[in-house]
Amino acid sequence: KAGVTQTPRYLIKTRGQQVTLSCSPISGHRSVSWYQQTPGQGLQFLFEYFSETQRNKGNFPGRFSGRQFSNSRSEMNVSTLELGDSALYLCASSFRGQGDSPLHFGNGTRLTVT
Amino acid sequence: AQSVTQLGSHVSVSEGALVLLRCNYSSSVPPYLFWYVQYPNQGLQLLLKYTSAATLVKGINGFEAEFKKSETSFHLTKPSAHMSDAAEYFCAVSEGGAQKLVFGQGTRLTINP
Repeated sequence: KAGVTQTPRYLIKTRGQQVTLSCSPISGHRSVSWYQQTPGQGLQFLFEYFSETQRNKGNFPGRFSGRQFSNSRSEMNVSTLELGDSALYLCASSFRGQGDSPLHFGNGTRLTVT
Repeated sequence: AQSVTQLGSHVSVSEGALVLLRCNYSSSVPPYLFWYVQYPNQGLQLLLKYTSAATLVKGINGFEAEFKKSETSFHLTKPSAHMSDAAEYFCAVSEGGAQKLVFGQGTRLTINP
């Protein structure tokens, strides 16, 4: 099976712009989660989708949003980019989407905001 | 709310030596606990997980971890380090039944030849 695929791998944007990141989960996985990784804050949970419904949301401003499509693919959007949004954004999928379900991570999208 | 503390942001061991990476958690309910490894420019890969079955959990690449409720710990060990073990290791706890992980700050493991 193919793993979790994230596109693009690298992005450079300027402050005030918006960006959309894409994630294709492992085939058959219905849960998709997003995490932000920075040197200062570490790995932080953004949100989780299951069968097109957002079930959990982390403590991020409303500029961060996401969605999931009927084929389980997911996108996250960040509007009005700030310098502090520079980070590695990781997508992860699981089959059952429950607390004991291991997450399968993609290689991430590295976003640089200048 | 759950939290995870990893003692030591950087651990250095010699090749062939014991690897011990420490993780303590706080949780008001029986936790699900995980160890993940991250190699440079890659995502996270699951090493092992604890989900209330055996307290000693064996994972991939010779790693294992022991769940100790009395100490609220879930330390990761490997008897003999290999150069390929050099990476960053993350301990994580699941918030209740939700697919939502709280991660520790990570421990960077360096292996000296």
